[in-house]
Amino acid sequence: ETGVTQSPTHLIKTRGQQVTLRCSSQSGHNTVSWYQQALGQGPQFIFQYYREEENGRGNFPPRFSGLQFPNYSSELNVNALELDDSALYLCASSLLGASRNTEAFFGQGTRLTVV
Amino acid sequence: AQSVTQPDIHITVSEGASLELRCNYSYGATPYLFWYVQSPGQGLQLLLKYFSGDTLVQGIKGFEAEFKRSQSSFNLRKPSVHWSDAAEYFCAVGAYSSASKIIFGSGTRLSIRP
Repeated sequence: ETGVTQSPTHLIKTRGQQVTLRCSSQSGHNTVSWYQQALGQGPQFIFQYYREEENGRGNFPPRFSGLQFPNYSSELNVNALELDDSALYLCASSLLGASRNTEAFFGQGTRLTVV
Repeated sequence: AQSVTQPDIHITVSEGASLELRCNYSYGATPYLFWYVQSPGQGLQLLLKYFSGDTLVQGIKGFEAEFKRSQSSFNLRKPSVHWSDAAEYFCAVGAYSSASKIIFGSGTRLSIRP
C-alpha cells in the first residue's frame, strides 16, 4: 500500500467524449505526476504538478490537461478522446523539498477504454 | 536523448534458479535509477533505487542491482527466484531534483517455470 489512491478503477468512454481521472496523493507529499501506460509498454510521463502549478510536461497534446488542488490531490482531464487513449493511467506522488526529495509512489491506476 | 533500454522482452527461468534482468540507460545528468515491478493490471511497486554511494543496492523481496557507470547499466539480480516473482519488471531513470519525472524502459516480462 503506497497511500496513493486513484478513482475510478475502470472506465469506458466513447470516442470524442471527455474524461476526468482523480488521484489522492500520499500524506506529506506535494507533487503529483501522471503517466500513460499503453498495453505491453512502459509508462510514459504526461506531466507533473508541484504546488498547484504544472512543473514539466511530456510529449502529450494540449487536450491532456491537469489540476492540482491545495490538498495536493490532482485531476487528469482528457478532451476529445481517441481510441489510442485507451490505456492504464497511473498517478505518482512524491515530495520535493529544500532538503529532501522522495522517490515516486504509484497508485493502482485507472484503466480507460475508449470505444 | 534520455532513454532506458531493456533488451529482453520476455525471460523464463526455473523456480530456484538465479535471475539477471538487463538495463542500459542514456541520461545527461547524474541519474537516479529505479527498478519497479508490476503484476497484471496493477500499479508499480518500487523494488530498489540508486542515486549515489555503494554501487550495489539491496531492495525488497531479495532483489539487488548493480550500477556500472562505465557501461551505463543497472542490472537487476536475484539469486533464487520464486513462482511469485512472475511479473513485469521496469527499469527507470530520472533526476533526483524532480523526484517523479521518470523515463521508463519498455519492460521485461518474467515467467517462472515450475
